Amino acid sequence: DVKVTQSSRYLVKRTGEKVFLECVQDMDHENMFWYRQDPGLGLRLIYFSYDVKMKEKGDIPEGYSVSREKKERFSLILESASTNQTSMYLCASRTGGASSVGELFFGEGSRLTVL
Amino acid sequence: AQSVSQHNHHVILSEAASLELGCNYSYGGTVNLFWYVQYPGQHLQLLLKYFSGDPLVKGIKGFEAEFIKSKFSFNLRKPSVQWSDTAEYFCAVNWSGRDDKIIFGKGTRLHILP
Repeated sequence: DVKVTQSSRYLVKRTGEKVFLECVQDMDHENMFWYRQDPGLGLRLIYFSYDVKMKEKGDIPEGYSVSREKKERFSLILESASTNQTSMYLCASRTGGASSVGELFFGEGSRLTVL
Repeated sequence: AQSVSQHNHHVILSEAASLELGCNYSYGGTVNLFWYVQYPGQHLQLLLKYFSGDPLVKGIKGFEAEFIKSKFSFNLRKPSVQWSDTAEYFCAVNWSGRDDKIIFGKGTRLHILP
């Protein structure tokens, strides 16, 4: 079974702090994603990555950055956390290739509260 | 801009009732279509997908969905729901050839009464 592990289930941070959310997958997947999930808004794509050191902006990249130094690890960084970034953050991965587009494996989520 | 609409935000049904959750997407060419489910306290998981071929696709746990191209729709159905189907359901669309971007709908919370 594919396992996508997010390092923190719950975090509480203060406005202006730098926040790191870590995600690791164990199935050698090429593609990794960060979404945020908010009630009534569904999932919105923040960033995704096709390969090590590669990244693409999603629909709401403002206020976020990402890092992918190793294939199995994809980190989401909030340079200066703000209250409107309070949310559930979901990491996902999939194997490369057109035939598996959309077949995402999700982690359990990291619930971030910014005070 | 591409968009995905789910008609119902919250649905309440009794066990054994039939279910249909609506999903429409904006026009944009060839699409890949998905339904995801999130059971309480669990991670999102793929329920079923449509890439091409038979527009009626079957997924896990007795769910099916029908792609109607002329209506830009991909409705999810189940003939007889169970209490264990209580979950949030998300429709998702990838516009083929437009990278890896998957657009999700806002979700439908399904509550099954025992």
